[in-house]
Amino acid sequence: QVQLVESGGGVVQPGGSLRLSCAASGFTLRNYGMHWVRQAPGKGLEWLSFIRNDESDVYYRESVRGRFTVSRDNSKNTLYLQMNSLRPEDTAVYYCVKDWALAAIIFESWGQGALVTVSS
Amino acid sequence: EIVLTQSPDFQSVTPKEKVTITCRASRSIGNGLHWYQQKPDQSPKLLIKYASQSISGVPSRFSGSGSGTDFTLTINSLEAEDAATYYCQQSVDLPMYTFGQGTKLEIK
Repeated sequence: QVQLVESGGGVVQPGGSLRLSCAASGFTLRNYGMHWVRQAPGKGLEWLSFIRNDESDVYYRESVRGRFTVSRDNSKNTLYLQMNSLRPEDTAVYYCVKDWALAAIIFESWGQGALVTVSS
Repeated sequence: EIVLTQSPDFQSVTPKEKVTITCRASRSIGNGLHWYQQKPDQSPKLLIKYASQSISGVPSRFSGSGSGTDFTLTINSLEAEDAATYYCQQSVDLPMYTFGQGTKLEIK
């Protein structure tokens, strides 16, 4: 079965950096687009970023463009999210999400989430 | 940016009731609308794709309908385990893929 396991969350000061990793198993990562979606405490879901299976397309929401970078290593079955210049409003649970297909933009399978807290 | 507005925000229902949640898009999105269920302290789960297509493993009491700007998620014969927050999401507006604000269902 599909498994997505995020790691790398934690507490970071404003302006700091953090890199999240997502270990994928149970499917062939190179055949699917992948996303990051976050959820601030007590709030709704917010799509952040998409990366196509071969990295030929990468998209970000406006509020993180230029600060966050998504990447993947299909040989290691791992997705990454490099987060720089973090702000308190970036505090959230970050989910690694498998697309239904290459780029259907349907969030088929979700990891358990990694909590990122930006606070001084 | 396409705004998705769900109604109601909150609903308290009794088991075996039929529940309807609506999602309205700020402009036409064809059938590019999908539904998710998030139970407390869990990750979201895909319920319905492309407005009305069922997902393997999801109970048949969940169904979806609609196209264009108006969509509906229906839960027939609600069960206690359906207590959750439900979100709609659109996949049309590249690259601003948005969710509705969520509808919280409480089981009486």
